Amino acid sequence: EAGVAQSPRYKIIEKRQSVAFWCNPISGHATLYWYQQILGQGPKLLIQFQNNGVVDDSQLPKDRFSAERLKGVDSTLKIQPAKLEDSAVYLCASSLGVGGNTEAFFGQGTRLTVV
Amino acid sequence: AQSVTQPDIHITVSEGASLELRCNYSYGATPYLFWYVQSPGQGLQLLLKYFSGDTLVQGIKGFEAEFKRSQSSFNLRKPSVHWSDAAEYFCAVGGYNKLIFGAGTRLAVHP
Repeated sequence: EAGVAQSPRYKIIEKRQSVAFWCNPISGHATLYWYQQILGQGPKLLIQFQNNGVVDDSQLPKDRFSAERLKGVDSTLKIQPAKLEDSAVYLCASSLGVGGNTEAFFGQGTRLTVV
Repeated sequence: AQSVTQPDIHITVSEGASLELRCNYSYGATPYLFWYVQSPGQGLQLLLKYFSGDTLVQGIKGFEAEFKRSQSSFNLRKPSVHWSDAAEYFCAVGGYNKLIFGAGTRLAVHP
């Protein structure tokens, strides 16, 4: 079974530029998560989708971050414009079921450096 | 609201020694509890999970964890640590529709 795929693995941009990350979850998984992991911290949930609807985006900085999950499969996370404090690893995860009672499978993440 | 506390930021043990990583959670109902491990440059891998039933759960790589409702804890244990266990460990609590992580404990293993 293929895992969660993310691209790119690494990205370096200047502040105020825009960037987009892509995630392909495990086939058939209804729930997709985007987490932000700042160095030395645990993953922080940015947004959670169930199929193509948003379940939770309470911690997504909506003035600069946006995410979509078209057709309930792939997802993209965009930052525009980027700030220095956005430097982090962005992790995508998916789970078969809905919510916090099923195992989440994680991709390897995208490491973003904003200079 | 859900929350997870991992009191130990960094732990160092000798190879072959026993290990216990602490995790305390806050959740209004019966929680779903997880331990994940993250090696450098990698995503998170599930070690074990607790949903219901036996409060002592076994996981991969020789890890186990015990759910104690009275203490709101879900501590991770391993009787004999191997050098390859050096990594960061995250406790997570799943509620109705969220999976929330603690800040993590970084484990170093001395030869």
